[in-house]
Amino acid sequence: SAVISQKPSRDICQRGTSLTIQCQVDSQVTMMFWYRQQPGQSLTLIATANQGSEATYESGFVIDKFPISRPNLTFSTLTVSNMSPEDSSIYLCSVKGQGAFGTQYFGPGTRLLVL
Amino acid sequence: SQQGEEDPQALSIQEGENATMNCSYKTSINNLQWYRQNSGRGLVHLILIRSNEREKHSGRLRVTLDTSKKSSSLLITASRAADTASYFCAVLGYSGSRLTFGEGTQLTVNP
Repeated sequence: SAVISQKPSRDICQRGTSLTIQCQVDSQVTMMFWYRQQPGQSLTLIATANQGSEATYESGFVIDKFPISRPNLTFSTLTVSNMSPEDSSIYLCSVKGQGAFGTQYFGPGTRLLVL
Repeated sequence: SQQGEEDPQALSIQEGENATMNCSYKTSINNLQWYRQNSGRGLVHLILIRSNEREKHSGRLRVTLDTSKKSSSLLITASRAADTASYFCAVLGYSGSRLTFGEGTQLTVNP
């Protein structure tokens, strides 16, 4: 299994500012994913981040709002830009285990509150 | 769009009882995975069942999969207060590109 850490674990931010969330994995992985979980809701995939290529965004999410970096096979960042209260959510980093059809593991999440 | 639909949305039982949660989905899948989430924290992977499997066990957990009905169930036997959490099913399609989550079941186990 993969061990994933995220920083920060939580933050309170003012609207209009940006926050960068870091995700570190204890092993090299090809595919990394960023999810959003709004209060009381399920998880929604924001984008898939593969090393060496641009992130692939899901419908409803754009690079200008959620820029993603993937500099190597163990690390990724997600930035939430120009935040509004609607961005208050838990943001989770995720990786796949062995193979494209294996278990998917999740980090502990970053709880964001935008005032 | 969310593929999975789970029921019930909320379930409250007494310690020692069994808890059953159901998940339905819409398209063909490669596998289905169940997760637990405690109080808005990260997701803990519980079990993965492949489309050619019908049942899997892990400790007090039993998962079934019926691909003809596009449904799965998670049974937790002899529940404990520590099992109180939200439980999510998630399906992986044949392309293997994305895991799509259901709405989740909030389980409360009363001591």
